[in-house]
Amino acid sequence: NAGVTQTPKFQVLKTGQSMTLQCAQDMNHNSMYWYRQDPGMGLRLIYYSASEGTTDKGEVPNGYNVSRLNKREFSLRLESAAPSQTSVYFCASTSTQSSYEQYFGPGTRLTVT
Amino acid sequence: DQQVKQNSPSLSVQEGRISILNCDYTNSMFDYFLWYKKYPAEGPTFLISISSIKDKNEDGRFTVFLNKSAKHLSLHIVPSQPGDSAVYFCAASGTGGTSYGKLTFGQGTILTVHP
Repeated sequence: NAGVTQTPKFQVLKTGQSMTLQCAQDMNHNSMYWYRQDPGMGLRLIYYSASEGTTDKGEVPNGYNVSRLNKREFSLRLESAAPSQTSVYFCASTSTQSSYEQYFGPGTRLTVT
Repeated sequence: DQQVKQNSPSLSVQEGRISILNCDYTNSMFDYFLWYKKYPAEGPTFLISISSIKDKNEDGRFTVFLNKSAKHLSLHIVPSQPGDSAVYFCAASGTGGTSYGKLTFGQGTILTVHP
């Protein structure tokens, strides 16, 4: 039981490049989330998926897109990376939208130069 | 607009003493509060939570207190241990409408427990 896994762990992009961050959970959770963590800012919600087939914007969605591929997988795509997207990205999941205790992956450290 | 604030960026305590981490919120729609702990290069892990219908919740060495009128909560760790050294995040959620299930996090407080 791996919990929430994220790939890659580290990534360096040049401005304008695109990439997809992958997230998978093996806990049969319905809801999944993408956050970014910046120094002094805590974690901010980018997008979330309450259940398979649905996605909604969070607090900071601009510059990102998501896909809930199936119940296990929720990916985050940067179409044209900008230096302002340099951050640590965390994926999380929870059993239902009514359960507030989210389980987090280990994070992806992204640098955009 | 920071709806959840942790005004102390860091806290240093001696092993065996009490650690008190504070959190303030501004959104009166928040009615469920959580504390997460984060070690370097790892994701946050859930520590303890409290519903707005309570003013205290205890789990072993960890106790969370909620003062709704002051919109303030605190996490007490007694006794503190060196392994408690980590970043602690306060988080809040509402149970109504579009806020359901979404967490708003504070900036985090770095706790260092010295042997």
